Amino acid sequence: QSALTQPPSASGSPGQSVTISCTGTSSDVGGYNFVSWYQQHPGKAPKLMIYEVNKRPSGVPDRFSGSKSGNTASLTVSGLQAEDEADYYCSSYAGSNNLVFGGGTKLTVL
Amino acid sequence: QVQLQESGPGLVKPSETLSLTCAVSGYSISSGYYWGWIRQPPGKGLEWIGIISHNGNAYYSPSLKSRVTISVHTSKNQFSLKLSSVTAADTAVYYCARGYGSGSNVLDIWGQGTMVTVSS
Repeated sequence: QSALTQPPSASGSPGQSVTISCTGTSSDVGGYNFVSWYQQHPGKAPKLMIYEVNKRPSGVPDRFSGSKSGNTASLTVSGLQAEDEADYYCSSYAGSNNLVFGGGTKLTVL
Repeated sequence: QVQLQESGPGLVKPSETLSLTCAVSGYSISSGYYWGWIRQPPGKGLEWIGIISHNGNAYYSPSLKSRVTISVHTSKNQFSLKLSSVTAADTAVYYCARGYGSGSNVLDIWGQGTMVTVSS
């Protein structure tokens, strides 16, 4: 199984919206509605932000939203804030009890 | 509040076996969920290693399957990772996490991570 494809970087100004893509195949992203997104600040553990494509865990601001079309999932951060600057990773169930991660996207708030 | 804490040697010699333990507090492992390991080489992305159920059913990354063993120790409320025949490419921060859902695709609680360096 190969890693999911994410853009290395994304950026936006405070208050703007930014969307990060996560491209896989019909064997992972396209085959299941089991895509998650994680936020990771430097030196910290990843934090679950979105699961099952578009569900938010308790405590995650509704500025974070997820979607999927075909083999590509997306994370949208609306109303960008300084604290949103972090690395973001997608993951997807890949069948046979396997999980695959994306390569990560560094989000910069300008 | 559920918390996970990794522990183990920070330095392992090439060809030897890396052994880490994850202690779980605030929840009894034997009650359910899956318990897994993820690693992150310095400056790189996350890599899923594998996961184990509360009753011992383990699933591993195909790329690491021949070298990985994950075990659960319910009496100690811990689970462990063993990675054999390590090389410099296994140098990484190793995280333990709690999982649920199909294929344990949702990792909702993570440990803080522990850095393991493979070097002679």
